Amino acid sequence: DVKVTQSSRYLVKRTGEKVFLECVQDMDHENMFWYRQDPGLGLRLIYFSYDVKMKEKGDIPEGYSVSREKKERFSLILESASTNQTSMYLCASSPGGGVAGELFFGEGSRLTVL
Amino acid sequence: GQNIDQPTEMTATEGAIVQINCTYQTSGFNGLFWYQQHAGEAPTFLSYNVLDGLEEKGRFSSFLSRSKGYSYLLLKELQMKDSASYLCAVMDSNYQLIWGAGTKLIIKP
Repeated sequence: DVKVTQSSRYLVKRTGEKVFLECVQDMDHENMFWYRQDPGLGLRLIYFSYDVKMKEKGDIPEGYSVSREKKERFSLILESASTNQTSMYLCASSPGGGVAGELFFGEGSRLTVL
Repeated sequence: GQNIDQPTEMTATEGAIVQINCTYQTSGFNGLFWYQQHAGEAPTFLSYNVLDGLEEKGRFSSFLSRSKGYSYLLLKELQMKDSASYLCAVMDSNYQLIWGAGTKLIIKP
């Protein structure tokens, strides 16, 4: 079975802390994505990567950075967490071929910033 | 701007049929996707339409009209486990997915 694993389901952090959200996929997918999901809004793309060491900004990259040192791992970093970054964060992956848009999601990391 | 509209919430009865609509205005079109998301779980892919018409997959069907910027997801023989949010997403000319806010479907016995 296809698997995308996010390291933490629930996190509580304080304003100004550095936060790491880890995502690992075991499907040898080229493409990886980080979204945030907030009530009443569609998924919003933060960053994505089509290859190792490659990254592209999505729609809302401000306040975030990413790292992709290995094909299977895509990390999201909040350099200095703020309360408006309280959200559900979803990692997804997709193969390089096949139907673009068929994403495989992790179960999400719910981050609360106090 | 780009916009995906779908109802916030719908209620239906077990065993019945429900249609969830999605309208879109995007910069270009490279396919429309439906995902299912149970509360507290990951979204999972349900269907993909790129040409006009109906795609059927078991109890679920998805319809697309590109000229009207319109799609619907049809769920037949509803089961309690179909209670979930249903997300509509459109792939734009840059091959980026634009997401609707989702429709929460409540199934009553």
